[in-house]
Amino acid sequence: RKEVEQDPGPFNVPEGATVAFNCTYSNSASQSFFWYRQDCRKEPKLLMSVYSSGNEDGRFTAQLNRASQYISLLIRDSKLSDSATYLCVSPRNSNSGYALNFGKGTSLLVTP
Amino acid sequence: NAGVTQTPKFQVLKTGQSMTLQCAQDMNHEYMSWYRQDPGMGLRLIHYSVGAGITDQGEVPNGYNVSRSTTEDFPLRLLSAAPSQTSVYFCASSYSYSTMGTGISGANVLTFGAGSRLTVL
Repeated sequence: RKEVEQDPGPFNVPEGATVAFNCTYSNSASQSFFWYRQDCRKEPKLLMSVYSSGNEDGRFTAQLNRASQYISLLIRDSKLSDSATYLCVSPRNSNSGYALNFGKGTSLLVTP
Repeated sequence: NAGVTQTPKFQVLKTGQSMTLQCAQDMNHEYMSWYRQDPGMGLRLIHYSVGAGITDQGEVPNGYNVSRSTTEDFPLRLLSAAPSQTSVYFCASSYSYSTMGTGISGANVLTFGAGSRLTVL
């Protein structure tokens, strides 16, 4: 089983919609998690981190459910500029060592 | 502030040729790493370094060498290129401090370079 699993999508949503992605992880000792955003043919960039139950930044909310071992990313009031691939990331071991596990990404397309 | 700079952006090699992908960062980050990204595979760690003079293997190290003689530079060498090494390569750097009480390690907050697209024929 891959350490981090995501639904690849694509998720096609109209502008203004709310969309949520889930990501499951296998290492129950992981303490913190991250969402990175990657635009087409560009490098990944950090979007949000989540450690406790959740984190909110404007239209974006990341939540962590340790019992079920998944994290989610909620995007409210979707914009065309939100179209991208969203990568779920967890550290490889419990002490937040350097190596990271990247999910394969979930593709989002926001349409007019 | 340039961040992480990778060169070249594009390269075409023939099987068996060798080359070096350059990576430099000007943020005084301790940690640097190389990833490759392939369709359907996601990002996979090739090699990483936690400081000058220290390197270690990641998930897919075969066919690649690295060295870290300075804090700023972390070149990736392809010893004898193979078609299976056709990929997009990303260099990344990060710092080592932890945000107390949050469990968030700076090591996991990566700044990526723009990528190097390599084709091996």
